[in-house]
Amino acid sequence: TAGITQAPTSQILAAGRSMTLRCTQDMRHNAMYWYRQDLGLGLRLIHYSNTAGTTGKGEVPDGYSVSRANTDDFPLTLAYAVPSQTSVYFCASSDSVAGSTDTQYFGPGTRLTVL
Amino acid sequence: GQNIDQPTEMTATEGAIVQINCTYQTSGFNGLFWYQQHAGEAPTFLSYNVLDGLEEKGRFSSFLSRSKGYSYLLLKELQMKDSASYLCAVLDSNYQLIWGAGTKLIIKP
Repeated sequence: TAGITQAPTSQILAAGRSMTLRCTQDMRHNAMYWYRQDLGLGLRLIHYSNTAGTTGKGEVPDGYSVSRANTDDFPLTLAYAVPSQTSVYFCASSDSVAGSTDTQYFGPGTRLTVL
Repeated sequence: GQNIDQPTEMTATEGAIVQINCTYQTSGFNGLFWYQQHAGEAPTFLSYNVLDGLEEKGRFSSFLSRSKGYSYLLLKELQMKDSASYLCAVLDSNYQLIWGAGTKLIIKP
């Protein structure tokens, strides 16, 4: 079982360009999340989706957008990249239903550098 | 505001025991998680506590005191492969995970 996959693994992007980070899960989890992780800081939630067709803003949503057209895919788009968006991006999913522990499982991450 | 505190870095010796503490102040509580993250890799789930007490899983144990807003992760018989960052996270009243910055554990031979 693949679990969660992310693409690309790493990317160098010129400031002002747009980019979509891809995330796909095969666990049929209803909830999915995008985090960024920066040195010395905890994981910070960018956007989340509790179920297909719905999305919500996390702690640091500015400059990012998401969509959830189906259960498996949760792409993250940077419409206009800026250097402060240089970070490692993790996608995660959880089986967020009554009686579950909401344990989140993470993809391998995308290392993004904006120059 | 919501806050998770854990030490930035700890050092321990191979074969020994280490305890990593986590204190939290969050709006509501629906469980506490510990994750392990090796350098350059994704966080992986270690343990979950929602009731007070100790949960044991092999060499790793996790303790929770909800009244004190406190948890610890206990690692026994340390191995070199345990060198990693350990992340504490609390599920708040909105079922959002609030993350600590992580504790980098260095194991020395």
